Amino acid sequence: AQSVTQLDSQVPVFEEAPVELRCNYSSSVSVYLFWYVQYPNQGLQLLLKYLSGSTLVKGINGFEAEFNKSQTSFHLRKPSVHISDTAEYFCAVSRRGFKTIFGAGTRLFVKA
Amino acid sequence: DAGVIQSPRHEVTEMGQEVTLRCKPISGHNSLFWYRQTMMRGLELLIYFNNNVPIDDSGMPEDRFSAKMPNASFSTLKIQPSEPRDSAVYFCASSQGQGRETQYFGPGTRLLVL
Repeated sequence: AQSVTQLDSQVPVFEEAPVELRCNYSSSVSVYLFWYVQYPNQGLQLLLKYLSGSTLVKGINGFEAEFNKSQTSFHLRKPSVHISDTAEYFCAVSRRGFKTIFGAGTRLFVKA
Repeated sequence: DAGVIQSPRHEVTEMGQEVTLRCKPISGHNSLFWYRQTMMRGLELLIYFNNNVPIDDSGMPEDRFSAKMPNASFSTLKIQPSEPRDSAVYFCASSQGQGRETQYFGPGTRLLVL
């Protein structure tokens, strides 16, 4: 069975600083990996996803993530955050024909 | 495209009352998911349908919860009788399949049971 662990429940960061949100997964077979973002009082929306191919995936709003098979990680990064990036971020894992498993979420607080 | 539509957006009810949440998925999507989100438990998958058939309802808390999908464009989640611990935000999401497909979430229904 697959599972996903988000290593930080909250990440405070100053505006224009870089940020990394960490995600580790466990699965014995090939997986698909996702990052979703939830802004206050909204549903989740897709930031980016890894299906196959290049291990560096670029998403919306300047975010990117790198798939690392040997470390079973899929960390999300942004070189310079804005106040508007304050939100909750969910890492998720799936595989062909199976339901998607979401992590517990990481709350990103961007301070002025 | 209007996206996933949920109604009502807010519901306040008294303990013991029946609550029905509604969802219209994106046209052409064949998978539909119901989630519950609370501060304590995070995001929980309650049930999902594929081609209108319930595939996995292992997340449904107890017999008070039931979900139906009578056709490809409509689903309901019913709680009867409701309890204060059911207070949460309930999300519906749809996708074109499972696995590699993106899930599209509705805006959620914020339920408060007094």
